[in-house]
Amino acid sequence: EIVLTQSPGTLSLSPGERATLSCRASQSVSSSYLAWYQQKPGQAPRLLIYGASSRATGIPDRFSGSGSGTDFTLTISRLEPEDFAVYYCQQYGSSPTFGGGTKVEIK
Amino acid sequence: QVQLVQSGAEVKKPGASVKVSCKASGYTFTSYGISWVRQAPGQGLEWMGWISAYNGNTNYAQKLQGRVTMTTDTSTSTAYMELRSLRSDDTAVYYCARRGILTGTWYFDLWGRGTLVTVSS
Repeated sequence: EIVLTQSPGTLSLSPGERATLSCRASQSVSSSYLAWYQQKPGQAPRLLIYGASSRATGIPDRFSGSGSGTDFTLTISRLEPEDFAVYYCQQYGSSPTFGGGTKVEIK
Repeated sequence: QVQLVQSGAEVKKPGASVKVSCKASGYTFTSYGISWVRQAPGQGLEWMGWISAYNGNTNYAQKLQGRVTMTTDTSTSTAYMELRSLRSDDTAVYYCARRGILTGTWYFDLWGRGTLVTVSS
């Protein structure tokens, strides 16, 4: 099983600041099958990024993904009030796994 | 409208079974699969397994092998997840999510709103 470790656990930032979230895999993620999801309280997760760097339909371009192999990053260029949420990375190979999440909170 | 609509909340006793439904609309059901993901209170996301709506093939998380069964009814575009021998640590919100069938499209691009299953004596 591929274990995904996200850091930091909590990120305290102000609106307008840049957020950088990390996801590290215990072994190489094949073909960059790495996705990022956003989850707000009481809501289902929403797909943001797939294939490590492709934005899902309707996702603003302030969200970007990068990385390959075992190290991946989600960047939010300028935080909007609606971006404060929990973010999960996922490898979506034959047996998918999720990271533990990073909470982006208002400073 | 493209959506997944899940059945309502359930309360079950330890040892019982629960069956959650997920009705798809707005897209061709048999062109995708359905994954099931659960989230215990205050915890992260746990993948449970998936089923191809195209041919019924399944792949379950090893942790749940023998306790979970996923099925589909293509006549009603509905997927089902049954979990047996319920324990208190099965208390969670259960989500269904659409998954692509083609290699490289296995991410979860559409989610249901979740079904709370509470296991309590």
